[in-house]
Amino acid sequence: GAVVSQHPSRVICKSGTSVKIECRSLDFQATTMFWYRQFPKQSLMLMATSNEGSKATYEQGVEKDKFLINHASLTLSTLTVTSAHPEDSSFYICSASPLGTDTQYFGPGTRLTVL
Amino acid sequence: GQQVMQIPQYQHVQEGEDFTTYCNSSTTLSNIQWYKQRPGGHPVFLIQLVKSGEVKKQKRLTFQFGEAKKNSSLHITATQTTDVGTYFCKNDMRFGAGTRLTVKP
Repeated sequence: GAVVSQHPSRVICKSGTSVKIECRSLDFQATTMFWYRQFPKQSLMLMATSNEGSKATYEQGVEKDKFLINHASLTLSTLTVTSAHPEDSSFYICSASPLGTDTQYFGPGTRLTVL
Repeated sequence: GQQVMQIPQYQHVQEGEDFTTYCNSSTTLSNIQWYKQRPGGHPVFLIQLVKSGEVKKQKRLTFQFGEAKKNSSLHITATQTTDVGTYFCKNDMRFGAGTRLTVKP
């Protein structure tokens, strides 16, 4: 149980395009999902907390207009990287916590490469 | 938010040797969680510690939460090549820097 999927797993795009990443909790409901970013050999940095039915809470220094988050249902959150640039290239990982728990289960991640 | 400091950053051991990673905070932690991330993979939840002085074991892994709830450790006895990866502690949504473990067969 507690499986989180993420799609796509890998994406390469041109500079200036937008990329949407989906995060789904497959066998549980999650009112809250989290989006992280991880650079090579570094730790995970929380970008934002996604709340079902309301606006996401962004961490300091994360541009909300650039990283659009939508939490449409209790099992789906999306992250859209708008007007992507090479410096946005990174590993993006989502996580979700089953209702009533603090444990976060992570998706497999999306590796974004912006050319 | 509060940060957890994790050391060491890297640890290279011979297979069969023990390994320990430490997380420290300047403030009292409500809980601490430990995750393992294999190379190229995503973090996998290992355990959560909540109580002061708590000790939990998972086979060769021993997790401790300090009496003051300001530090925690993960100890692996007799490492195996399958233990390779980065071990992270986490408090709330904040991860420690991680300790990258490599094991020489």
